Amino acid sequence: AQSVAQPEDQVNVAEGNPLTVKCTYSVSGNPYLFWYVQYPNRGLQFLLKYITGDNLVKGSYGFEAEFNKSQTSFHLKKPSALVSDSALYFCAVRAPTGKLIFGQGTTLQVKP
Amino acid sequence: EAQVTQNPRYLITVTGKKLTVTCSQNMNHEYMSWYRQDPGLGLRQIYYSMNVEVTDKGDVPEGYKVSRKEKRNFPLILESPSPNQTSLYFCASSLDGLVFTGELFFGEGSRLTVL
Repeated sequence: AQSVAQPEDQVNVAEGNPLTVKCTYSVSGNPYLFWYVQYPNRGLQFLLKYITGDNLVKGSYGFEAEFNKSQTSFHLKKPSALVSDSALYFCAVRAPTGKLIFGQGTTLQVKP
Repeated sequence: EAQVTQNPRYLITVTGKKLTVTCSQNMNHEYMSWYRQDPGLGLRQIYYSMNVEVTDKGDVPEGYKVSRKEKRNFPLILESPSPNQTSLYFCASSLDGLVFTGELFFGEGSRLTVL
């Protein structure tokens, strides 16, 4: 069965420090992986995706994600966090049927 | 501006009173979908539509209906709402229908409370 796990409910980081939001997945076949961000009282916004190719994927707002096939992970990273990065982050995987399966979400809190 | 528009954004209703949440997209997208977001459960798919007149159940379809008579509109209908349908609802669309490699565009959400 296809699934996505985000092991941390919340990640706290100081502004200017690097951040990592973790995601692991389980899917049959080649994975299509996504990260979305949800700011307070807003809908989800697409950040980045991995379909094929380079394991390091760059996305919006300075975020990047590293695909690791052996560890079945797709962690979201940013070299230097901003207070404005504080939001709810969702990892998602495309199932063979074509639909997206979302993780539970991780709240990122960046403190000044 | 490309967008997915949901209405109403906020609604408080009572058990059993039928309601409809509208969703409209102006991007000529083939694929549309409804999700509900609940704390600790992430997003769960209610229904989706690959194209006009084609709809299918997602993971949690019980108590909901949808229709796709036009490409741009995908209303979510609660015929007899119950308190366990209190949730935050999102409509989303995507250019891709059968081969999903693109991204989903989300509406701003509709917060529904059923008393």
